[in-house]
Amino acid sequence: KNEVEQSPQNLTAQEGEFITINCSYSVGISALHWLQQHPGGGIVSLFMLSSGKKKHGRLIATINIQEKHSSLHITASHPRDSAVYICAVLMNRDDKIIFGKGTRLHILP
Amino acid sequence: NAGVMQNPRHLVRRRGQEARLRCSPMKGHSHVYWYRQLPEEGLKFMVYLQKENIIDESGMPKERFSAEFPKEGPSILRIQQVVRGDSAAYFCASSGTRDTQYFGPGTRLTVL
Repeated sequence: KNEVEQSPQNLTAQEGEFITINCSYSVGISALHWLQQHPGGGIVSLFMLSSGKKKHGRLIATINIQEKHSSLHITASHPRDSAVYICAVLMNRDDKIIFGKGTRLHILP
Repeated sequence: NAGVMQNPRHLVRRRGQEARLRCSPMKGHSHVYWYRQLPEEGLKFMVYLQKENIIDESGMPKERFSAEFPKEGPSILRIQQVVRGDSAAYFCASSGTRDTQYFGPGTRLTVL
């Protein structure tokens, strides 16, 4: 079993829909990152969380440390949100980062 | 403040050649990380360096791969005698502390 699991693996939705991507992890962490990888391949860091909730524009990220779970939400989704979204955790035992396999999101116009 | 720079963005090598990938961290950052993303796979940690020191190379293949981060100049990931299985996207990230990492655009290595 992977230490970081994301679901769904692939998601196709219509423009305007509310999107939720989930990340569960099984290790002790000091922080969790949500990353966005566009079709060109570049990676952008969206959020770094260690507790609670963060919001940036139409993006919201939450984390529940007790349940070892984080969600990334996109409100009023748009075709330009189409990308791979990657959850990554910073392990507190050795400061290594472990990445989830990513969720491929496709927003249809 | 320029972001993390990587060059080249695309690199084509024939089997047996050497590949050198460069990463210039963000200004003021002294921590550099290299990651590899194989086709259809997720990102995997390779090595963590600070200036003139390799801190953690547990993700580096034991042979043919090496990394350095000299006092002056960019960090270099060097792959000797490349094989087709080395074809991947190589990402570098930098940080000023051990948590927030900023990623470069990546170098796509293709081995013919």
